[in-house]
Amino acid sequence: TQLLEQSPQFLSIQEGENLTVYCNSSSVFSSLQWYRQEPGEGPVLLVTVVTGGEVKKLKRLTFQFGDARKDSSLHITAAQPGDTGLYLCAGSPLAGNNRKLIWGLGTSLAVNP
Amino acid sequence: NAGVMQNPRHLVRRRGQEARLRCSPMKGHSHVYWYRQLPEEGLKFMVYLQKENIIDESGMPKERFSAEFPKEGPSILRIQQVVRGDSAAYFCASSPLSEGVNTEAFFGQGTRLTVV
Repeated sequence: TQLLEQSPQFLSIQEGENLTVYCNSSSVFSSLQWYRQEPGEGPVLLVTVVTGGEVKKLKRLTFQFGDARKDSSLHITAAQPGDTGLYLCAGSPLAGNNRKLIWGLGTSLAVNP
Repeated sequence: NAGVMQNPRHLVRRRGQEARLRCSPMKGHSHVYWYRQLPEEGLKFMVYLQKENIIDESGMPKERFSAEFPKEGPSILRIQQVVRGDSAAYFCASSPLSEGVNTEAFFGQGTRLTVV
């Protein structure tokens, strides 16, 4: 069974701090996606990474896909209260139905003003 | 994700009743996915459908649950004879037809089912 482990599970920081959250697996994925979910809402896609070693930037968010395509990280610079939410990673498996995303449990981020 | 419409947003059912959850995909999207989310378990894949076809239902319980995506109209997730354990948030996602590995799915706001 392919699993995605996210860490830390909870993170509470002050506005302006930097942070990194991780998404790890022992399995290789064809692609990996990061979503943000707010309470009472559905996940919103932030980015998809496909190539091993790939780095993508989205304003203050930097996403990296591991060289072996087994892990990924999300770094937020100068966090703001609006960044508060549940950050989820989801991977497309190499074999079988690549549309059947495998999900981590998420990192719940709270940015305090 | 505003393009994927789910209704109702909240649904309360008594044990033994039927629950029908609807999902209209984004315009131009021909693939629909249903997921269930529980606080301690995260999002779990249930079923993947294209128009008039079930492609993968490996995540769906064998009994009481069914899904369809007719040629016309929304996708329906149907739960018969609901039990308290069915209480969860059910999310629908859609994606366009694509042969690539980028399975970018766009989610609706979910239906929160409460069984009393």
